[in-house]
Amino acid sequence: GEDVEQSLFLSVREGDSSVINCTYTDSSSTYLYWYKQEPGAGLQLLTYIFSNMDMKQDQRLTVLLNKKDKHLSLRIADTQTGDSAIYFCAESIRGRRALTFGSGTRLQVQP
Amino acid sequence: GAGVSQSPSNKVTEKGKDVELRCDPISGHTALYWYRQSLGQGLEFLIYFQGNSAPDKSGLPSDRFSAERTGGSVSTLTIQRTQQEDSAVYLCASSPGHRSSYEQYFGPGTRLTVT
Repeated sequence: GEDVEQSLFLSVREGDSSVINCTYTDSSSTYLYWYKQEPGAGLQLLTYIFSNMDMKQDQRLTVLLNKKDKHLSLRIADTQTGDSAIYFCAESIRGRRALTFGSGTRLQVQP
Repeated sequence: GAGVSQSPSNKVTEKGKDVELRCDPISGHTALYWYRQSLGQGLEFLIYFQGNSAPDKSGLPSDRFSAERTGGSVSTLTIQRTQQEDSAVYLCASSPGHRSSYEQYFGPGTRLTVT
């Protein structure tokens, strides 16, 4: 079945790197996504990775995918206070376009 | 360009009333999705439209929920005889819909409160 899990909370200091982790169970995942949600706002697509890739880098964001362990991570370099938000991991599986979301990780960046 | 827009941004209704929520997808996007975000359930898929194909309604929680998409663009989600457990933020997303593009772009949501 489909299940996406994330830790609930992460606190880092401004300038440090943040690593947000996600695990999923469905081996037929095709794409995996990271979304950001700021208070009172909708979901902003940050980045996504195809399931046959190991890594994707986009400016301060690095996505690592370990398909064997079904583990996805998002690394934010030089974390800023504006990065404080809830980060959602999501997957789409073959034959189904709807996304399955994790419960979200709240990132708190301390000055 | 313009993103996904939703209206109203907030809706307060009495238990038992019907509500309609509107979504305008990104121009040219053929796929449209409705999700619900609530405290207890997280983000849940409700329904998906792709072009002229029959919608995927597998996520609708009850027959009080329905949605339509007119002219392949604007969509309306209707909740009949609202209940307090329907209180949530209803999010709409659209995507280009072709095989090579799976990204979904979300609107700001409609916060529904049922009193």
